[in-house]
Amino acid sequence: ETGVTQSPTHLIKTRGQQVTLRCSSQSGHNTVSWYQQALGQGPQFIFQYYREEENGRGNFPPRFSGLQFPNYSSELNVNALELDDSALYLCASSLDRGLGNTIYFGEGSWLTVV
Amino acid sequence: DAKTTQPNSMESNEEEPVHLPCNHSTISGTDYIHWYRQLPSQGPEYVIHGLTSNVNNRMASLAIAEDRKSSTLILHRATLRDAAVYYCILRTSSTLGRLYFGRGTQLTVWP
Repeated sequence: ETGVTQSPTHLIKTRGQQVTLRCSSQSGHNTVSWYQQALGQGPQFIFQYYREEENGRGNFPPRFSGLQFPNYSSELNVNALELDDSALYLCASSLDRGLGNTIYFGEGSWLTVV
Repeated sequence: DAKTTQPNSMESNEEEPVHLPCNHSTISGTDYIHWYRQLPSQGPEYVIHGLTSNVNNRMASLAIAEDRKSSTLILHRATLRDAAVYYCILRTSSTLGRLYFGRGTQLTVWP
């Protein structure tokens, strides 16, 4: 139990639709990052939020966007869904951006795009 | 991306020690070495991390070479539950601390 909770756990969307995934970070953690994990591959960094500001972005198109709220919970939004967006989406939180801090992951949201 | 090199797979018998190696020859002075593991259909699980000195916790030990260009994750007594993909990751300031997951090492534990 990492204290990072994600919802929904599973969902199915149609190509072209939009999806919002939610993450509640561990208490007191002001840094949240999102990762995409396609089947059979390692997680890929999407972006990171620190104190409500985007603080680093991976190689993902602008249709992947996010928010971090004052209570440090976060959302990942994906517009114009494509079949290749089918993946496990992981949220992770840490106390702050320090390199020596532990990053804790949630169990993920499984997205299937049909 | 800060690169690490790990064997694709390793095997062990239950209750035996396991030494998982990792090379990170491009490590810089402020980079931390982190290890995570992932079971099928689950999120990655933190195992251990260190900077320069060897580290121990309830799950494992991390042995860091003197030149910091390699490290070894040590599971003292493997159990079936330890079967997972193990990722050795450098957290660097140049990439704002993001975790770069390579292919990892698939550890198989035999009963």
